[in-house]
Amino acid sequence: GAVVSQHPSRVICKSGTSVKIECRSLDFQATTMFWYRQFPKQSLMLMATSNEGSKATYEQGVEKDKFLINHASLTLSTLTVTSAHPEDSSFYICSARGGFPYEQYFGPGTRLTVT
Amino acid sequence: GNSVTQMEGPVTLSEEAFLTINCTYTATGYPSLFWYVQYPGEGLQLLLKATKADDKGSNKGFEATYRKETTSFHLEKGSVQVSDSAVYFCALSDRDNQGGKLIFGQGTELSVKP
Repeated sequence: GAVVSQHPSRVICKSGTSVKIECRSLDFQATTMFWYRQFPKQSLMLMATSNEGSKATYEQGVEKDKFLINHASLTLSTLTVTSAHPEDSSFYICSARGGFPYEQYFGPGTRLTVT
Repeated sequence: GNSVTQMEGPVTLSEEAFLTINCTYTATGYPSLFWYVQYPGEGLQLLLKATKADDKGSNKGFEATYRKETTSFHLEKGSVQVSDSAVYFCALSDRDNQGGKLIFGQGTELSVKP
């Protein structure tokens, strides 16, 4: 199968600090990864599309300077939440496109709590 | 723009009951349609998909038919099990999932009681 991992699964940080979340495709190469944000009892909202070796494409309303995305290799994309605030607390989910069958595979998510 | 609307949850059923979760969409062109399932503490998994009108996607006893005339993709299962308890998301892609971004409905939580 095609497996996507995220690390950490949970993180608590203080307001004003930065947090990095990793998304890895474990057994396939992914030229494209996606980052979503999910609020409690709500849907997934696409934040940005990350392409290996190029700049991420952000959705309207997403602050690119606050949510830094790096896709340095075909198996790793990172999301850094800079100067985090309590309103950034959420469940962040990544997905990677590739694998067999070729489709989007989702990571288990990262719960971020900003105190 | 494109959007997906699902019936609100939570939906609570007894084991072996019939399940329907309604999903309707708004889209230009000819989107592909998907159902994803999220079990507690896990990531989303693709349950089934349909890429053109009148296609029926099926998997693990679940079915959904792409109805262009009613812009719907309702999820059904004839006899649910406790293990089906999860959150179900309807989604669309402006092209086949290989090329397009996914737009999700709000999710419907299903709880199946023994």
